[in-house]
Amino acid sequence: SAVISQKPSRDICQRGTSLTIQCQVDSQVTMMFWYRQQPGQSLTLIATANQGSEATYESGFVIDKFPISRPNLTFSTLTVSNMSPEDSSIYLCSVEEGQGAITEAFFGQGTRLTVV
Amino acid sequence: SQKIEQNSEALNIQEGKTATLTCNYTNYSPAYLQWYRQDPGRGPVFLLLIRENEKEKRKERLKVTFDTTLKQSLFHITASQPADSATYLCALDEAAGNKLTFGGGTRVLVKP
Repeated sequence: SAVISQKPSRDICQRGTSLTIQCQVDSQVTMMFWYRQQPGQSLTLIATANQGSEATYESGFVIDKFPISRPNLTFSTLTVSNMSPEDSSIYLCSVEEGQGAITEAFFGQGTRLTVV
Repeated sequence: SQKIEQNSEALNIQEGKTATLTCNYTNYSPAYLQWYRQDPGRGPVFLLLIRENEKEKRKERLKVTFDTTLKQSLFHITASQPADSATYLCALDEAAGNKLTFGGGTRVLVKP
């Protein structure tokens, strides 16, 4: 099973600034996923990051607000840009492993972001 | 529109009893359904996967059922313990690609 290290684990940021979250996996994976989990809510997929190509964003999320890097098969970053209090949330990176079409998701411990 | 529903109200249960959680979905035809556990301040952790052609799956004190006619999965924790207190999430695969969609989760509190 994949082991995912995510940092920072938490941060308090001023509105208008940006925060970059790092995600390191202990194995090479094709796709890495970035989720947002707002307080009391479920996980919402922000984007899928593939190595060597642009990330694929879900409806409601745009690259200018959440730029993603994927420089190699074990690492990815998500930047939350020009933050506002509405961006306060937990951000999680994830990878999936499995056989064929059936996969299991592994998550980092999350980054708890508070924007003041 | 596609929807996954879990009971948003917390489930309070006495130690030793069985906790039963529900996951209902609409406008999906999932090939499989997964259950995850999430503790406060942590990412979800995979518990069980059940395929569309499986009616029931067990793992230690956990039991999952999957009824594709009712579009429902039930998640049971038998002989519950205070350490089982957490939020439990169900997740379905999307038809295209390996993209999981999560329900809102149900918080379980097991009282000693």
